[in-house]
Amino acid sequence: GNSVTQMEGPVTLSEEAFLTINCTYTATGYPSLFWYVQYPGEGLQLLLKATKADDKGSNKGFEATYRKETTSFHLEKGSVQVSDSAVYFCALSGSINDMRFGAGTRLTVKP
Amino acid sequence: NAGVTQTPKFQVLKTGQSMTLQCAQDMNHNSMYWYRQDPGMGLRLIYYSASEGTTDKGEVPNGYNVSRLNKREFSLRLESAAPSQTSVYFCASSALTSYNEQFFGPGTRLTVL
Repeated sequence: GNSVTQMEGPVTLSEEAFLTINCTYTATGYPSLFWYVQYPGEGLQLLLKATKADDKGSNKGFEATYRKETTSFHLEKGSVQVSDSAVYFCALSGSINDMRFGAGTRLTVKP
Repeated sequence: NAGVTQTPKFQVLKTGQSMTLQCAQDMNHNSMYWYRQDPGMGLRLIYYSASEGTTDKGEVPNGYNVSRLNKREFSLRLESAAPSQTSVYFCASSALTSYNEQFFGPGTRLTVL
C-alpha cells in the first residue's frame, strides 16, 4: 500500500538557518503530495501541495518539489524564523479516501 | 466561517465508559474523516464518510463507531473506552474536487484511565 517516510526529529536550528526536512514515498499511480504544519495545541494546517510530477508547491517561504524519479517531496526554507517552530507532516493521497501521513518532524528554531 | 469545529477539547474517561466526539464543518464539503494521532505515528484514519449517508472503515476502526448525521456533522463514538484509546482525535473534511486537500479541526485530547 501507499506509505510516507519522513526524517526523524527533532530538528533544532538557529534563526535564519536553512531548513530541509526529507520525505520519501511509496505509491502506485500518481498521488498528490502535501506538507502540513501543526502548531502547539492546534490541528493540522495545509502548508503546501503538489499534484503532479515536477510541480513545486510553495507558501510562506517554504518550498517542495514533487520528484517522481526519486519518489521524494523534501521541504525546504532558506531562512527559518522562531515562529516556524512546529511539527511538520508529509502526506500522500492516492485517492479521495486514502491520505497517508508521515510520523512528523518537530522543528525548534532558537533566536 | 468557522471551518471545522470539534467538541469537547479535552475529556477524561474511565475504562468502560462511553462517549461521543462531535465534529461539524461549514465549508459544504462532501467528505469527512476521523483520525487519531499518537506520538511517533503520525495520523491514522479511523473512519471516513465519502458523502452524506455513507461511512467506511479506515486503518484502525476497532472500538469505534461513527454517524454521518447530515452533510455538516460527523460524530465518533467510543462504546466502551479502553486505555489504548488514549490519544488526540482530529476530524477533517474535504471537497471532492480538491485533490483530497483536507481541512482539520483543533482536536480532542482524550485520556482513558
